[in-house]
Amino acid sequence: QSALTQPASVSGSPGQSITISCTGTSSDVGSYNLVSWYQQHPGKAPKVVIYEVSKRPSGVSNRFSGSKSDNTASLTISGLQTEDEADYYCCSFASSGSLAFGGGTKLTVL
Amino acid sequence: EVQLVESGGGLVQPGGSLRLSCAASGFIFSSYEMNWVRQAPGKGLEWVSYISSNGRTIYYADSVKGRFTISRDNAKNSLYLQVSSLRAEDTAVYFCARAPQWYWYFDLWGRGTLVTVSS
Repeated sequence: QSALTQPASVSGSPGQSITISCTGTSSDVGSYNLVSWYQQHPGKAPKVVIYEVSKRPSGVSNRFSGSKSDNTASLTISGLQTEDEADYYCCSFASSGSLAFGGGTKLTVL
Repeated sequence: EVQLVESGGGLVQPGGSLRLSCAASGFIFSSYEMNWVRQAPGKGLEWVSYISSNGRTIYYADSVKGRFTISRDNAKNSLYLQVSSLRAEDTAVYFCARAPQWYWYFDLWGRGTLVTVSS
């Protein structure tokens, strides 16, 4: 059960778009369309923004989108807003019923 | 209100034990799969354990296998995590997290309960 790899930080200006990558292996991200993304503000519980690679839960802005290619999943946030500043975590189902999180990416909106 | 509320955390010595609880309300608890996820201070999220809606299927992270035990009582709308043989690296906020049946993502989280392992 190895952690997925995310960049430690990304930044962007209001109105811009950013993409956060999440790299796994053929045992997790590459084998299943079961990648989800979570937004966590300081001191708060995480909140799902994308599930099953590209599906958006009800109530989540359409500025959030997800995709996957081979062993790498990506989260794109378009039209950046100051409230998007948070930590973002990817998560994937892995073999044997386990789940693996990425190390997290701190998004700074400049 | 749809919510999950964790309790039972605290300060415990290395090698000690605790029982964490998660009280669910506002939804049909028995229809959902449940998980525990933890977050060490200043660190990222780590999945800990999963239990199916009927309690028959259980999975654990390798890091806690043999030391932690997940269970649920659908009649009491409650999820539990018995944590034993605690180590310093188990220090974390423990979140309970709901997963829709047949899905592998977390759509509802509690606020967490802090477990501190220290002598």
